[in-house]
Amino acid sequence: NAGVTQTPKFQVLKTGQSMTLQCAQDMNHNSMYWYRQDPGMGLRLIYYSASEGTTDKGEVPNGYNVSRLNKREFSLRLESAAPSQTSVYFCASSEAIWQLTDTQYFGPGTRLTVL
Amino acid sequence: DQQVKQNSPSLSVQEGRISILNCDYTNSMFDYFLWYKKYPAEGPTFLISISSIKDKNEDGRFTVFLNKSAKHLSLHIVPSQPGDSAVYFCAARITSGSRLTFGEGTQLTVNP
Repeated sequence: NAGVTQTPKFQVLKTGQSMTLQCAQDMNHNSMYWYRQDPGMGLRLIYYSASEGTTDKGEVPNGYNVSRLNKREFSLRLESAAPSQTSVYFCASSEAIWQLTDTQYFGPGTRLTVL
Repeated sequence: DQQVKQNSPSLSVQEGRISILNCDYTNSMFDYFLWYKKYPAEGPTFLISISSIKDKNEDGRFTVFLNKSAKHLSLHIVPSQPGDSAVYFCAARITSGSRLTFGEGTQLTVNP
């Protein structure tokens, strides 16, 4: 039982390049999330998927797109990377966002640098 | 607009003593609160939570206190251990179906 896995662990991009961050969970969770963590700013939600087939914007969605490929997988795409997107990206999953006591489980993160 | 704030970026305590991490929030509609712990190069892990209908929740060495009138949340760790050294995030949710709002985090260092 691996929990939430993310690939890659590290990535360096040049400005304007594109890439996709992959996330998968094996806990049969309905809801999945993408966050970014920047120094002094905590975790900010980029996009989330309450259930398979749905996606919604979070707090900081500009410059990103997501795909909920199936119940297990939720990918984050940067179409044209910018230096402001240098950050650590975390994927998370939870049983069901509609439950008040819902708890999110996080992956190990992807450290992205955009030059 | 930072609705959940952790005003202390860092806290240093001696092993065996109490660690108190604080969190303030501005939105009185928050009704569920969580604490997460994060080690370097790892994702955050859930630690403890509390519903707004309670004012205290305990789990072993960890206790969370909620003061709704003051819009204040605190996490007590007793006794503190070196392995508790990590960044601690508080988070809050308004209603079921809504996303979590996280604070900025507090770096706790427990010195042997």
